[in-house]
Amino acid sequence: AQTVTQSQPEMSVQEAETVTLSCTYDTSESDYYLFWYKQPPSRQMILVIRQEAYKQQNATENRFSVNFQKAAKSFSLKISDSQLGDAAMYFCAYRSASGNTGKLIFGQGTTLQVKP
Amino acid sequence: KAGVTQTPRYLIKTRGQQVTLSCSPISGHRSVSWYQQTPGQGLQFLFEYFSETQRNKGNFPGRFSGRQFSNSRSEMNVSTLELGDSALYLCASRRAGGGISYEQYFGPGTRLTVT
Repeated sequence: AQTVTQSQPEMSVQEAETVTLSCTYDTSESDYYLFWYKQPPSRQMILVIRQEAYKQQNATENRFSVNFQKAAKSFSLKISDSQLGDAAMYFCAYRSASGNTGKLIFGQGTTLQVKP
Repeated sequence: KAGVTQTPRYLIKTRGQQVTLSCSPISGHRSVSWYQQTPGQGLQFLFEYFSETQRNKGNFPGRFSGRQFSNSRSEMNVSTLELGDSALYLCASRRAGGGISYEQYFGPGTRLTVT
């Protein structure tokens, strides 16, 4: 069974600075997808960034980028130029690439505080 | 395009009662998944439906059930409610397909409180 672990329950960053959220996962599959979701206080889950396991190039979406280390089963999220609106809970998630499933396996989440 | 909608948004029930939650997916999305979110257990997958058929089921007791209608709308039912069922229930929809672009779009959730 696949598992996702986020070892940082809480993180804080100064506005305009950079922060990195950690995520590790365990799987025996070779093809899968990884995601970072953001859940602000409104509770609406928003997809931040996604990564295909067979692509070595790290995904980037504006101020958000990932460091994907397949051998180490690590998938960290870097937020550059942090903004007050980035304050939220962030979830790392895994989805198998087989079976045409939408099932997501989530980590426990990291609460990010952004200080003005 | 309208997003995923869930009704009701808030619900208070008593132990032993049953509850039905509803989810309307984004137009054109045929897959609907349900997740339970609690402070202690985090986000856990309940089940996934596609074309009115349950495709996947998480590790929850039989008190938790669901169904999907021909218009892709989905309902989940919890019978004989327990205090531990208090949670935010999230519904997510996506287009049919297995690639990474077939991402989940989440609804705002239904906050269930069991007293």
